[in-house]
Amino acid sequence: DTGVSQNPRHKITKRGQNVTFRCDPISEHNRLYWYRQTLGQGPEFLTYFQNEAQLEKSRLLSDRFSAERPKGSFSTLEIQRTEQGDSAMYLCASSTPGLGGTGELFFGEGSRLTVL
Amino acid sequence: AQSVTQLGSHVSVSEGALVLLRCNYSSSVPPYLFWYVQYPNQGLQLLLKYTSAATLVKGINGFEAEFKKSETSFHLTKPSAHMSDAAEYFCAVRASGSARQLTFGSGTQLTVLP
Repeated sequence: DTGVSQNPRHKITKRGQNVTFRCDPISEHNRLYWYRQTLGQGPEFLTYFQNEAQLEKSRLLSDRFSAERPKGSFSTLEIQRTEQGDSAMYLCASSTPGLGGTGELFFGEGSRLTVL
Repeated sequence: AQSVTQLGSHVSVSEGALVLLRCNYSSSVPPYLFWYVQYPNQGLQLLLKYTSAATLVKGINGFEAEFKKSETSFHLTKPSAHMSDAAEYFCAVRASGSARQLTFGSGTQLTVLP
C-alpha cells in the first residue's frame, strides 16, 4: 500500500498527558499537511510542511501543539498537556510538488484522539 | 481568502433518485475546487476536482459537478443514488497558483433510503 499512513489509529489518554501521532506520506510527495476534524465538521487546517520546512501554522495550533518533519519524510504531531477539547480526529495529507500542481490532497485514515 | 458554504448538513434521497449536494464558494482569485467523500472512521477520498479546464467535471462512482462562475457554485450531482453512496461529502477550495492548504466546508451527510 503506497497511500498515506497514520498511527496510532486510536488513542485514549487522560487529561494532562502528552500524545504523539505519526504520519508517513506518499513517498514522492514533498508537501505534508495536518488537519483536525471534530464531529459534524469539516477538516480544519493546522499546519503544513514543504520538505522539512514548516511553512504555515494555523492559529488553531496552540503552543501545546508541535509538529515536525525532520528529514522531509515522515511527520509527527505532538500534543502536550492534553485537554478534553483536543478530542478529535487528526488527519494527515500529502500532495505532489510544484506550485503548478492542482493541489489535490491525499489523506490518511486519521488518528482519533479521546481525552478523558 | 477562500471559503466554501455547503447548504444542507443532511440530505436524504431514495435509492435510484437524483443526488444534489450544494456548494458555494468565495474566492478572490480563480479557485480550484474539490469534492471529497468520507465513509465512517475513514479518511477523505477525492471524488472530483475542477482546475480551470472543463466546467463540467466527471468523477468517480458516477458523480459529476459543474463549475458556475456566475453563481459561484460547484454543486455535486449523481443521476441515480445507490445505497453505497451513503457517506459524508465535503466541498473544498484552494486558490489557483497557491501552495496553501485546502479550505473545507462543514460537510453534507447523505442518507440513501431503500
